Amino acid sequence: DAKTTQPPSMDCAEGRAANLPCNHSTISGNEYVYWYRQIHSQGPQYIIHGLKNNETNEMASLIITEDRKSSTLILPHATLRDTAVYYCIVRVGYGGATNKLIFGTGTLLAVQP
Amino acid sequence: NAGVMQNPRHLVRRRGQEARLRCSPMKGHSHVYWYRQLPEEGLKFMVYLQKENIIDESGMPKERFSAEFPKEGPSILRIQQVVRGDSAAYFCASSNYRTDSNQPQHFGDGTRLSIL
Repeated sequence: DAKTTQPPSMDCAEGRAANLPCNHSTISGNEYVYWYRQIHSQGPQYIIHGLKNNETNEMASLIITEDRKSSTLILPHATLRDTAVYYCIVRVGYGGATNKLIFGTGTLLAVQP
Repeated sequence: NAGVMQNPRHLVRRRGQEARLRCSPMKGHSHVYWYRQLPEEGLKFMVYLQKENIIDESGMPKERFSAEFPKEGPSILRIQQVVRGDSAAYFCASSNYRTDSNQPQHFGDGTRLSIL
């Protein structure tokens, strides 16, 4: 079972920031938070991951709360092409017996023109 | 999703036939994962392989399914005696896992398997 909780859907206006929340209240100290997205009929696309510090790359920013029980993925200027299902996944970053990703139901982000 | 190559993109089989799905990982990656996505459902982990070794097959059905990642060549997911319920999108991912790192998995665009 997925160890994260996400809202099933969200809307965002084109050009505005999209803030996607994720709860992971049972996260362990050695588990990272990963974000992927899946655009219709394509394979999941890696976005970003982090342990406890906020992270930023060319796609998005990841804000992790101090207690690490929740996080927010921020797409600073959403475009229509960002319409996708976004998955928040917690996983042991290294040293685990397996590296499998457990996908939940994710958040369907619909960017509106 | 450039880098992880899956073929074929679409595969049609009749019930009882065999399906072979191939995955070439990103250059430099030695770890391969297979996931299945049934229609209108989320992705489910099937198997995790390193070169010539199966590390975790906890998500593989006990019968008819097998996977390999030989020393040379792509990883193969093999489904024998296919049934209608095998119709799904099968995704492969690869990573450059090291014990001291947290390298993400990168996915291919999948093989859509349809069983007639």
